[in-house]
Amino acid sequence: DTGVSQDPRHKITKRGQNVTFRCDPISEHNRLYWYRQTLGQGPEFLTYFQNEAQLEKSRLLSDRFSAERPKGSFSTLEIQRTEQGDSAMYLCASSLVPGLAGGPTRTDTQYFGPGTRLTVL
Amino acid sequence: QKEVEQNSGPLSVPEGAIASLNCTYSDRVSQSFFWYRQYSGKSPELIMSIYSNGDKEDGRFTAQLNKASQYVSLLIRDSQPSDSATYLCAAQYNFNKFYFGSGTKLNVKP
Repeated sequence: DTGVSQDPRHKITKRGQNVTFRCDPISEHNRLYWYRQTLGQGPEFLTYFQNEAQLEKSRLLSDRFSAERPKGSFSTLEIQRTEQGDSAMYLCASSLVPGLAGGPTRTDTQYFGPGTRLTVL
Repeated sequence: QKEVEQNSGPLSVPEGAIASLNCTYSDRVSQSFFWYRQYSGKSPELIMSIYSNGDKEDGRFTAQLNKASQYVSLLIRDSQPSDSATYLCAAQYNFNKFYFGSGTKLNVKP
């Protein structure tokens, strides 16, 4: 399977605990995005990476959330001191943006992983 | 005002009919546009992308972009019950982050 993978697929935790999710993008993709999605809503942007650099982080994201992509391949998203409001599906997506050094390309098509469903009790 | 807006539906169409899904966007996100399909409990899957004014066809799907009016639409011809899902519109500005609408739920009745 050469698609985006996420681990774990489901996580149940108690309020106040820390959790960490992992995302493995499509191997040649240089961009990696994290989203959060709650029932009846579209994916909400959290942060994204270009290779190992974190280029943007949502202002909605509290300092309890942190993400890393240390070698420009897989990424981790950690939530510290979880709250019940953190219960959601956490989605990872990756894309390839070629030719950034030489100028813009037409599209940046992202492909999603299966998601990690977090339940905070 | 949200960057990308969609009618939440549900939109109900009979099998074999054309389903028309619409999306409007604000100036700040006017560059590339994407339609995703999401089944309940699953992650979004890409249907198609469009960035130039006009129509783009792929099988039973046609995306339409009108930058002057700031809307994007998706037409599904010969709708099938398996097309029943939530359809997400997304927009990307300047090759940075993506903005998603809240999705339109489509029901195709046999």
